[in-house]
Amino acid sequence: ETGVTQTPRHLVMGMTNKKSLKCEQHLGHNAMYWYKQSAKKPLELMFVYNFKEQTENNSVPSRFSPECPNSSHLFLHLHTLQPEDSALYLCASSQASLAGVGGEQFFGPGTRLTVL
Amino acid sequence: EDQVTQSPEALRLQEGESSSLNCSYTVSGLRGLFWYRQDPGKGPEFLFTLYSAGEEKEKERLKATLTKKESFLHITAPKPEDSATYLCAVQASWGSGTYKYIFGTGTRLKVLA
Repeated sequence: ETGVTQTPRHLVMGMTNKKSLKCEQHLGHNAMYWYKQSAKKPLELMFVYNFKEQTENNSVPSRFSPECPNSSHLFLHLHTLQPEDSALYLCASSQASLAGVGGEQFFGPGTRLTVL
Repeated sequence: EDQVTQSPEALRLQEGESSSLNCSYTVSGLRGLFWYRQDPGKGPEFLFTLYSAGEEKEKERLKATLTKKESFLHITAPKPEDSATYLCAVQASWGSGTYKYIFGTGTRLKVLA
């Protein structure tokens, strides 16, 4: 595997389900990100992990819970989602410095999530 | 308020018809400006990073330029395979040594054969 991979590519879930999205980066980067992409809207940054420590949480609802067990893997745990949470969820990585995250980001193919 | 605006929202070109996409921004403490290409059903693909006004980067038919208020992505003699959504993003200082990324809504480019 090369670059950034995401699984599953498509996910349909009910509002009472619990599911997890997985991201893995093979680039040796030390910062990872979750974004939400909805139609006609700019990418929304949800979470940032820099050296495995969460540095940003842009007021994301608690029904989204991130986990970063090491610098190569990132998860997004989902529970009791709402239909408006349906979107493309993108994972990205970059090479950050101790001074803060930065640099160009490399994205995975995304998980297309549909909440019924 | 920090903001990134891209124009036009959509653009249709004939093959070989050169044009430019615009990304204007208002941020404090610009650390870098990025251009990405996104194909339907895929994640954005990194194209260029620009750091300071006057800087230019080129890759095949694409050339990105940067001023203090905006960036342009020039497409010379485009081909149908250049059809995609082009995203602009800025990285700005956010205090305490952290940074934030702000994306525009993109320009959907369609190149007709």
